[in-house]
Amino acid sequence: AQKVTQAQTEISVVEKEDVTLDCVYETRDTTYYLFWYKQPPSGELVFLIRRNSFDEQNEISGRYSWNFQKSTSSFNFTITASQVVDSAVYFCALYTGNQFYFGTGTSLTVIP
Amino acid sequence: KAGVTQTPRYLIKTRGQQVTLSCSPISGHRSVSWYQQTPGQGLQFLFEYFSETQRNKGNFPGRFSGRQFSNSRSEMNVSTLELGDSALYLCASSRTRTSGGYQETQYFGPGTRLLVL
Repeated sequence: AQKVTQAQTEISVVEKEDVTLDCVYETRDTTYYLFWYKQPPSGELVFLIRRNSFDEQNEISGRYSWNFQKSTSSFNFTITASQVVDSAVYFCALYTGNQFYFGTGTSLTVIP
Repeated sequence: KAGVTQTPRYLIKTRGQQVTLSCSPISGHRSVSWYQQTPGQGLQFLFEYFSETQRNKGNFPGRFSGRQFSNSRSEMNVSTLELGDSALYLCASSRTRTSGGYQETQYFGPGTRLLVL
């Protein structure tokens, strides 16, 4: 069975702090894709990154970075020097075979 | 390039009624997927349409149905509404189908927030 677990339901940080959002996934498939989406209060999910199961290279995009580790089935997301605009719900998602499976999301609040 | 649009944005219905939600994908995108988002269950996949055909379906009762038109626009219908159908319904589009092993990034619309009283 496919599953995505985001154990952190809510996180609050003070502006400029670094924060890591955890994502653990389960699948028996060897080919799969992992995603992170951001959902601001407006409701629209905004695509952040896609990573396939054969590419374990970490990625950095500005203040965002992602750490993919197949050995622990994790795909963690770090925001460096957080800003108030980062406040949102963040979803980790797994795509395998037929469809997407989403975690329950982590609500991040950045306090000014 | 315009994003995914969904109408209406907000809807209030009563139990037993039916509702139709609309989704217009990004220009050039041919696949439309629908998701239900609730605080308790999170994001759950409803179904995917590609080339006017349902390609994949999640674990939802038959009261939930959809269709896709030749211009890739999609509608989702829920009949005999129940209180538990209150949710944010999200539509996502991609260039090609996401089922059957094809992998495409999905781009989401702002959602339709449905409240059933």
